[in-house]
Amino acid sequence: QKEVEQNSGPLSVPEGAIASLNCTYSDRGSQSFFWYRQYSGKSPELIMSIYSNGDKEDGRFTAQLNKASQYVSLLIRDSQPSDSATYLCAVNEDFNKFYFGSGTKLNVKP
Amino acid sequence: DVKVTQSSRYLVKRTGEKVFLECVQDMDHENMFWYRQDPGLGLRLIYFSYDVKMKEKGDIPEGYSVSREKKERFSLILESASTNQTSMYLCASRGLSRETQYFGPGTRLLVL
Repeated sequence: QKEVEQNSGPLSVPEGAIASLNCTYSDRGSQSFFWYRQYSGKSPELIMSIYSNGDKEDGRFTAQLNKASQYVSLLIRDSQPSDSATYLCAVNEDFNKFYFGSGTKLNVKP
Repeated sequence: DVKVTQSSRYLVKRTGEKVFLECVQDMDHENMFWYRQDPGLGLRLIYFSYDVKMKEKGDIPEGYSVSREKKERFSLILESASTNQTSMYLCASRGLSRETQYFGPGTRLLVL
């Protein structure tokens, strides 16, 4: 059984701080990694994708991948109250098989 | 922008009823997916389809079937609804590249 693990939270950070979200996965054959944001009652929307070791930055978001440690993280700089949501980590091995973590709930306090 | 639509946002059905959930995408994507999402369990793949009339089981196909007669439409069928199928159902589509999946708005199904 392939597993993707996330701390369920809630993770509370003050407005303007850096939020750090973490994810570990069990399958060393995983090739693609995604972070989704899901607001309550809404469907997931893509924040970042990352395919190779290292950092990938997009605006206030940075994804970090370490395949040797089977670890992927998402950093949100200058956190805003509008960033309050559940963040899902997804791992893709076979082309059409995605495995999702259960999500980390982030609260950004004004 | 990719658009994935689902036929209903909320459904209430009775145990034993046959339930149809419809999903339509407008981006000519080859691949379509059905997931269910339950608190603490994340998204779990029920079925996916990589072409018209082609389907493959996901991790939890029991109690479900699917139909894909046209490229843009993927249907999930609950042959005989049970209370443990109460959940949020999410449809997604994906093209041939390494891109992400695009999700529909979801259908929240309550089986009484």
